[in-house]
Amino acid sequence: GQSLEQPSEVTAVEGAIVQINCTYQTSGFYGLSWYQQHDGGAPTFLSYNALDGLEETGRFSSFLSRSDSYGYLLLQELQMKDSASYFCAVRDQGNTPLVFGKGTRLSVIA
Amino acid sequence: DAGVIQSPRHEVTEMGQEVTLRCKPISGHNSLFWYRQTMMRGLELLIYFNNNVPIDDSGMPEDRFSAKMPNASFSTLKIQPSEPRDSAVYFCASRPSLGTSGSTSTGELFFGEGSRLTVL
Repeated sequence: GQSLEQPSEVTAVEGAIVQINCTYQTSGFYGLSWYQQHDGGAPTFLSYNALDGLEETGRFSSFLSRSDSYGYLLLQELQMKDSASYFCAVRDQGNTPLVFGKGTRLSVIA
Repeated sequence: DAGVIQSPRHEVTEMGQEVTLRCKPISGHNSLFWYRQTMMRGLELLIYFNNNVPIDDSGMPEDRFSAKMPNASFSTLKIQPSEPRDSAVYFCASRPSLGTSGSTSTGELFFGEGSRLTVL
């Protein structure tokens, strides 16, 4: 089976940088994804890493180390609207479903 | 495109009643997933379909739960009889099939807005 660990809550100040870590255990590995979910909303895709290294998309970056079974989501220049839950997710084969972590609730404060 | 469409958005029912949740995936997406979200257990996969065929229903909690996909544009999740512990948000998601070996696709899932179920 698969399991993912991420912190349950993180608080950060507007304008700052925050890093949300994710460690995983899977029988196979086909990539690490990140999703954002605002209260009352649906999860939406943020990023995907299949290979080691950093992927950057605007203020958000995601990193993967396959040898360490570890990844993180980096949010820069935090804005109040970034307050949400962030989920890491893995799939262990090409066409299998995503397995999600429990999510990290990010609170951005003024 | 309209995105994944779920109905109802909210359902309040009494214990023992039958509940049917509906989902219309994005046109052209031939993989469909039902997830359940609760505070305690997070996002759990219940069942998924490829090309309308159920592939893995090991996440369905009990025989009270059943899911069908009669065609490429419609799926249902039924709970009969419902119990208070079934209260949760049920999400349907879809994506294009990625194939069974080797894919550079991100595998992005497109979620519906969810159906919030409350069983009293």
